Amino acid sequence: DTAVSQTPKYLVTQMGNDKSIKCEQNLGHDTMYWYKQDSKKFLKIMFSYNNKELIINETVPNRFSPKSPDKAHLNLHINSLELGDSAVYFCASSPSREPLYNEQFFGPGTRLTVL
Amino acid sequence: GESVGLHLPTLSVQEGDNSIINCAYSNSASDYFIWYKQESGKGPQFIIDIRSNMDKRQGQRVTVLLNKTVKHLSLQIAATQPGDSAVYFCAETGRRALTFGSGTRLQVQP
Repeated sequence: DTAVSQTPKYLVTQMGNDKSIKCEQNLGHDTMYWYKQDSKKFLKIMFSYNNKELIINETVPNRFSPKSPDKAHLNLHINSLELGDSAVYFCASSPSREPLYNEQFFGPGTRLTVL
Repeated sequence: GESVGLHLPTLSVQEGDNSIINCAYSNSASDYFIWYKQESGKGPQFIIDIRSNMDKRQGQRVTVLLNKTVKHLSLQIAATQPGDSAVYFCAETGRRALTFGSGTRLQVQP
């Protein structure tokens, strides 16, 4: 029944490693997002995909690469992890690409800790 | 009780009291505003929204007020319950993406 799911929920890894976080939504939405939430709870958008097409790419290091194999999935791959990447990463989806008047549904988050 | 600003203050209220959480947004071109609730260990959850052509909208126990003149948004929770304890975010959007404020932590004392 989970609308937006993410795996894993927790991820602990060493600096320099490469890791991926997976996201799936079963709401039939066209648009999916990745957000980063820092230790002060500040939520910032990283990427947005609409029907597998990248539509928003905020100022994010190119070590972060989103991949959308189909419109129900948006995975986040991170290369050469750094200490500053430690955060909670949220996936979200919405019915259309226009954020205007469209509620976004969030996943439960993935807490990434880089040691 | 009331809170102000885009940093993460904590608002502590007694169970049964009304809560007011405030948010000052930055973009005068924003057309749509949403309040989200984030419980510990969970993702943000939609509470209520309001469009820029409105100044008030009511839901179940919640009311959102919008003052575009001073770019201010507030969330009022009536008869606050322990289950309302969470971090509350306002978010604004034009046509590009949601921009979130940094949130207010609401603590409900029994």
